[in-house]
Amino acid sequence: KAGVTQTPRYLIKTRGQQVTLSCSPISGHRSVSWYQQTPGQGLQFLFEYFSETQRNKGNFPGRFSGRQFSNSRSEMNVSTLELGDSALYLCASSLRLAWNEQFFGPGTRLTVL
Amino acid sequence: QKEVEQDPGPLSVPEGAIVSLNCTYSNSAFQYFMWYRQYSRKGPELLMYTYSSGNKEDGRFTAQVDKSSKYISLFIRDSQPSDSATYLCAMREDSGGSNYKLTFGKGTLLTVNP
Repeated sequence: KAGVTQTPRYLIKTRGQQVTLSCSPISGHRSVSWYQQTPGQGLQFLFEYFSETQRNKGNFPGRFSGRQFSNSRSEMNVSTLELGDSALYLCASSLRLAWNEQFFGPGTRLTVL
Repeated sequence: QKEVEQDPGPLSVPEGAIVSLNCTYSNSAFQYFMWYRQYSRKGPELLMYTYSSGNKEDGRFTAQVDKSSKYISLFIRDSQPSDSATYLCAMREDSGGSNYKLTFGKGTLLTVNP
């Protein structure tokens, strides 16, 4: 069974630009969560999608948004990039909403210059 | 006070040693407790999870939860160089509540020397 895939793996952007990251969950998994990982703050929850609806949200500004498609694939968008948005963005999929067993992808390394 | 505190290390041990990794937390509503392992340039992978207080064993790994002290531990017996990674604790409230997101510790970097 293929794991969680994320594209692209690496991205370099400049301040003020916007970026879209993509996540394909494990086949059959319906829940997708997004996390931001930085050395200073660690892993922080962004949001979780299930059945194309955002079900839970972390404490991030509105510049961070996401969506989920009918095939459970998900995208995350960050608008008006700031230097502090440089991080590893991880996507995790699970069978159900609020399920303990989450499977993480390799992440997208975003650098904002 | 941060919800979850974890000593970042680094922790360096010889092969075969028993390793103890710990987290403390402040939110008494946390019910599920997990340990993830993250190798360099990879996403975290779930090692174990426990519900409420008690012990759980899986091979060389033992997870302990003491809810009265708000303290969780992961023990690794007979540590191997392949155990070298960052270990993250995570916890969440019950899914019946509104805040069931996973809250992570910052991780402890472990190196097992051959």
